Amino acid sequence: DAGVIQSPRHEVTEMGQEVTLRCKPISGHNSLFWYRQTMMRGLELLIYFNNNVPIDDSGMPEDRFSAKMPNASFSTLKIQPSEPRDSAVYFCASSIRGTGANVLTFGAGSRLTVL
Amino acid sequence: QKEVEQNSGPLSVPEGAIASLNCTYSDRGSQSFFWYRQYSGKSPELIMFIYSNGDKEDGRFTAQLNKASQYVSLLIRDSQPSDSATYLCAVTINAGNMLTFGGGTRLMVKP
Repeated sequence: DAGVIQSPRHEVTEMGQEVTLRCKPISGHNSLFWYRQTMMRGLELLIYFNNNVPIDDSGMPEDRFSAKMPNASFSTLKIQPSEPRDSAVYFCASSIRGTGANVLTFGAGSRLTVL
Repeated sequence: QKEVEQNSGPLSVPEGAIASLNCTYSDRGSQSFFWYRQYSGKSPELIMFIYSNGDKEDGRFTAQLNKASQYVSLLIRDSQPSDSATYLCAVTINAGNMLTFGGGTRLMVKP
């Protein structure tokens, strides 16, 4: 298995531009999570999908952020318009929700820099 | 108060020593507890998880859970320079499927 695949790995953009981050979860995993990591705030959960349905988006910082999961093998996180304070590493993670512990497997991350 | 607290470190130990990493959490309903390791510039990777009080061992790693004290720890025996990384404690919140992470403890193992 190729693991969780994220793209792009690096994105540099200017304030006000739209940014779209992409994620392909592990095949067979039915839960998908978007996290953001900064030095100041650590790893923060933004949104969580189960079976392609958004379950909890309380971590999405504001209306500029939106996430979709149109099918079991693809999700996007969009920021529009982007601001310098959005600069961070964005991780996608997937897991199999079921009995027992919910083990997350992370993608390599997308490093976003907003100038 | 943060939901999951860790000392940011750095924690410095000599090679071959035992490294002890600690974590406290605020949600008494938390059921599953995880330790992830993150090398600089890389993504978090799972070391182990625990959900019963007591100890759980996996190779050089031992996770300890005390739900009454809301305390989780990770012991690394025979520490190696390759163990130098940030260790993240994560806890399920609200008895659900979501993980909340602590800020991480940076471990440095000196040869």
